[in-house]
Amino acid sequence: EAGVAQSPRYKIIEKRQSVAFWCNPISGHATLYWYQQILGQGPKLLIQFQNNGVVDDSQLPKDRFSAERLKGVDSTLKIQPAKLEDSAVYLCASSFLLGASGTYEQYFGPGTRLTVT
Amino acid sequence: DQQVKQNSPSLSVQEGRISILNCDYTNSMFDYFLWYKKYPAEGPTFLISISSIKDKNEDGRFTVFLNKSAKHLSLHIVPSQPGDSAVYFCAASEYSGGGADGLTFGKGTHLIIQP
Repeated sequence: EAGVAQSPRYKIIEKRQSVAFWCNPISGHATLYWYQQILGQGPKLLIQFQNNGVVDDSQLPKDRFSAERLKGVDSTLKIQPAKLEDSAVYLCASSFLLGASGTYEQYFGPGTRLTVT
Repeated sequence: DQQVKQNSPSLSVQEGRISILNCDYTNSMFDYFLWYKKYPAEGPTFLISISSIKDKNEDGRFTVFLNKSAKHLSLHIVPSQPGDSAVYFCAASEYSGGGADGLTFGKGTHLIIQP
């Protein structure tokens, strides 16, 4: 079974530029998450989708970050304009609504490392 | 306000011995807990989980213990192997009943297995 795919793996931009990340979840996973992981910290949830609807975006800085999940499969996360403090690894994860065991593990992609200079 | 805390940034254990990683949480609404393992330049990999209705879950060399009254959980790895060297994240969630909520992570513990 293919895992969560993300691209690009690395991106370097200057502050005030824009950037977009792409995620393709595991086939059949209805729920998709974007997390931000700053160096030395644990991942922090930015936004959660259920199919193509937003479930939780309370921690998304909406003045500069946006995300969409058209057709309930792939998703893109955009930052415009980027700030120095946006330097982080952006992780995409997906899960079943409810796993076979009654649990619901989230499966993570490899992440995109963003450096803002 | 950190709702999930891993107070040991690093832990060194001899190969073959037991590794014990600890995690504390403050949000009493959390009812589902997970441990993830992360290697450099890779995403976190799911290891083991436990629901709040249980106090122990075991999977091979990995056992997670949950003490709800103390808001504390721990991950035991027995015996520890060199491939276990990684950063371990504790995570927690509120199960909303309609689906899987986003996870709240601790800062991680870097486990180093000494030969």
